[in-house]
Amino acid sequence: QKEVEQNSGPLSVPEGAIASLNCTYSDRVSQSFFWYRQYSGKSPELIMSIYSNGDKEDGRFTAQLNKASQYVSLLIRDSQPSDSATYLCASRGRDDKIIFGKGTRLHILP
Amino acid sequence: DVKVTQSSRYLVKRTGEKVFLECVQDMDHENMFWYRQDPGLGLRLIYFSYDVKMKEKGDIPEGYSVSREKKERFSLILESASTNQTSMYLCASSFRDRGADTQYFGPGTRLTVL
Repeated sequence: QKEVEQNSGPLSVPEGAIASLNCTYSDRVSQSFFWYRQYSGKSPELIMSIYSNGDKEDGRFTAQLNKASQYVSLLIRDSQPSDSATYLCASRGRDDKIIFGKGTRLHILP
Repeated sequence: DVKVTQSSRYLVKRTGEKVFLECVQDMDHENMFWYRQDPGLGLRLIYFSYDVKMKEKGDIPEGYSVSREKKERFSLILESASTNQTSMYLCASSFRDRGADTQYFGPGTRLTVL
């Protein structure tokens, strides 16, 4: 069974600090990795996608991928209260199906 | 802007009823997906489709069927609704090209089966 594992949280981070969200995946042939943000009562929206090892930065967000360790992370710099949400990690393998983790709840403390 | 719309935001049905959930996207996406999301279980894939008239089973297809007669429309059908199908149902779509495979989600339909 291909899985994506995340700590469910809640992860509490003071405003202005760096929030670090982690994810591991079991399918070694996974090609694409995604981070989605989901506010309560809303549908998921894509924040970052990453396809190759290393870091990818977009504004306050940095995605990190380590295929050897089967590990993906998302860093949020200068955390804001509006970043409080559930963050879903997802991977896609060769069969084109996307596997989602159950999400990590992030709470930014004002 | 990509737009994925779902026919209802909230729906209440009775056990045994046939239920249709409609999803329409306006970006000419090849791929369309139906998920359900439950607390503690996350997003689970029910069915997906790569093209018109094509369908593939996801991880939990039992009790559901789908229809894709037109590229922009993907319907989820509960043949005989049961209380364990009470859930949030999310439709998503994406391009087939792996370089542009972001999934765009609709607003969701919260279905309650009594």
